[in-house]
Amino acid sequence: NAGVTQTPKFRILKIGQSMTLQCTQDMNHNYMYWYRQDPGMGLKLIYYSVGAGITDKGEVPNGYNVSRSTTEDFPLRLELAAPSQTSVYFCASMGYNNEQFFGPGTRLTVL
Amino acid sequence: ELKVEQNPLFLSMQEGKNYTIYCNYSTTSDRLYWYRQDPGKSLESLFVLLSNGAVKQEGRLMASLDTKARLSTLHITAAVHDLSATYFCAVDRDTGTASKLTFGTGTRLQVTL
Repeated sequence: NAGVTQTPKFRILKIGQSMTLQCTQDMNHNYMYWYRQDPGMGLKLIYYSVGAGITDKGEVPNGYNVSRSTTEDFPLRLELAAPSQTSVYFCASMGYNNEQFFGPGTRLTVL
Repeated sequence: ELKVEQNPLFLSMQEGKNYTIYCNYSTTSDRLYWYRQDPGKSLESLFVLLSNGAVKQEGRLMASLDTKARLSTLHITAAVHDLSATYFCAVDRDTGTASKLTFGTGTRLQVTL
């Protein structure tokens, strides 16, 4: 099992550009999550999904959108990138005992 | 709003010593998780604590949960250099099945020789 995979690993965007962060899991988990981690801080929940076709907002959803068309994939979309979105983004899926398994992260810089 | 506080934020300790990291949270929850993060890496799950009085141990680390005091501890026994990392506690603020986590700001542990 590859677990949770994310692409790209790194990205630099200009202000106002858009991009999609990809997340895929091969553990057949229904629940998936997107977090952001700012330097020296803990993670904050952006969006989550309880299954294909069902998504909901977390603590910090502004500036982001998600979709969940399959169990495996949970992409995160940034429509108009802003410097405040410079962060490391982690995708996670939830298994037994509500334990969350995290992907390797995407380091995003908006200039 | 659920607040999760860890202390200390930074801990430098010598190999062989014992120490405890504390995680306090502000609202009722009986699900708490500990994660380890190495610099530039992802989060690795260490412990899942799902009830009052839960205690889990793995190697030199032991975690416990007191839901009445809203407190979890991560105890390090006879620290070794390989334990150097940042440790996060995360509290589940969802009472259903979705598991929405609020993270502490982390405790950066440095074990010196």
